[in-house]
Amino acid sequence: NAGVMQNPRHLVRRRGQEARLRCSPMKGHSHVYWYRQLPEEGLKFMVYLQKENIIDESGMPKERFSAEFPKEGPSILRIQQVVRGDSAAYFCASSPPQGLADTQYFGPGTRLTVL
Amino acid sequence: GENVEQHPSTLSVQEGDSAVIKCTYSDSASNYFPWYKQELGKRPQLIIDIRSNVGEKKDQRIAVTLNKTAKHFSLHITETQPEDSAVYFCAAKSSGGSYIPTFGRGTSLIVHP
Repeated sequence: NAGVMQNPRHLVRRRGQEARLRCSPMKGHSHVYWYRQLPEEGLKFMVYLQKENIIDESGMPKERFSAEFPKEGPSILRIQQVVRGDSAAYFCASSPPQGLADTQYFGPGTRLTVL
Repeated sequence: GENVEQHPSTLSVQEGDSAVIKCTYSDSASNYFPWYKQELGKRPQLIIDIRSNVGEKKDQRIAVTLNKTAKHFSLHITETQPEDSAVYFCAAKSSGGSYIPTFGRGTSLIVHP
């Protein structure tokens, strides 16, 4: 049973470009969460999605950031017109369907560097 | 919303000593408390968790205790080894309402050989 997959593992973008981060949850998991982690800091919640629905996006900046979790395919976190302050590690986590949705399992993360 | 405080931010011990990391939470509705270990450059990995109907849980050298009245929970690592060196995060979550866990800021544990 493969764990949570994320790609790319490392992403370098120049200011103003777009960054697309992908997350495939564990098999059987229908909940996906995205977190941002700055060096030597904790995990900051960004957005929580279920298939085709955004449940909670209270931690995501209103501008330039968007997320989706389509019926088919991975969840995508999209950052438009990246700035240097977007440089961070972005982790996604998945959890089982509602009722068992307590435990989150994390992916390996995508390390975004904005030049 | 929930607020989780974690202490200490850094903990340095000698190999073989015990290490204790403490977290407090504010929301009395929180009923699930996981602990994650994150090695440098790696993903956070769940190492142990506890639910509010249990006061203590143990898994080999790792144990977690929960005091619901005082709203705090602790991670205990006995007979520490250099490979225990990592950042440890606590979290608190309620099964009702928000499904989003609130994480502590992390504790950097250093085990000296």
